[in-house]
Amino acid sequence: GAVVSQHPSWVICKSGTSVKIECRSLDFQATTMFWYRQFPKQSLMLMATSNEGSKATYEQGVEKDKFLINHASLTLSTLTVTSAHPEDSSFYICSASPAGGPGEQFFGPGTRLTVL
Amino acid sequence: EDQVTQSPEALRLQEGESSSLNCSYTVSGLRGLFWYRQDPGKGPEFLFTLYSAGEEKEKERLKATLTKKESFLHITAPKPEDSATYLCAVQAGSRDYGGSQGNLIFGKGTKLSVKP
Repeated sequence: GAVVSQHPSWVICKSGTSVKIECRSLDFQATTMFWYRQFPKQSLMLMATSNEGSKATYEQGVEKDKFLINHASLTLSTLTVTSAHPEDSSFYICSASPAGGPGEQFFGPGTRLTVL
Repeated sequence: EDQVTQSPEALRLQEGESSSLNCSYTVSGLRGLFWYRQDPGKGPEFLFTLYSAGEEKEKERLKATLTKKESFLHITAPKPEDSATYLCAVQAGSRDYGGSQGNLIFGKGTKLSVKP
């Protein structure tokens, strides 16, 4: 139980284009999902908290107009990186907690984004 | 400021050589401490949750313990397949608080390599 999927697992795009990443909870409902970013040999850094049916809560320093988050249903959240640039290249990981809230979280497999 | 520090950064063991990984934390009230395993290019895989000092959890060759200042992940007779990066995360804030505060704060991880 508590399986989270992400799609795509990797994506390469040209600078200036937008990329959408999907995160799904497969066997539970998630009122809250979390989006993280991880650079090589670094910690997972929380970017935003995605709330079903309402606006996402962004962490300090994360541009909400660049990283658009939509949580359309209890099992799906999407992250769109708009006008991507090479510095946006990173490993993006989503997570969710079956119990709700930021406690015990289960993570998706991650999406490797490379912007050329 | 809430902080999580893991040590060592990297650990090389021979197969069967037991050892421990450390996670020290300073938070304003601990709601939970979480251990995850992360393989290269993958999302973190949940291992354990610990809530209070003195608590211990075990799973196969892994045992997690918690004190008021730190947690240890003990690895007994490790095998090459235990090679991975082990992440520690804490959730701050009182457990009596019913809100959604207390996002996970991750350490940088310990990269474990077990040689046959």
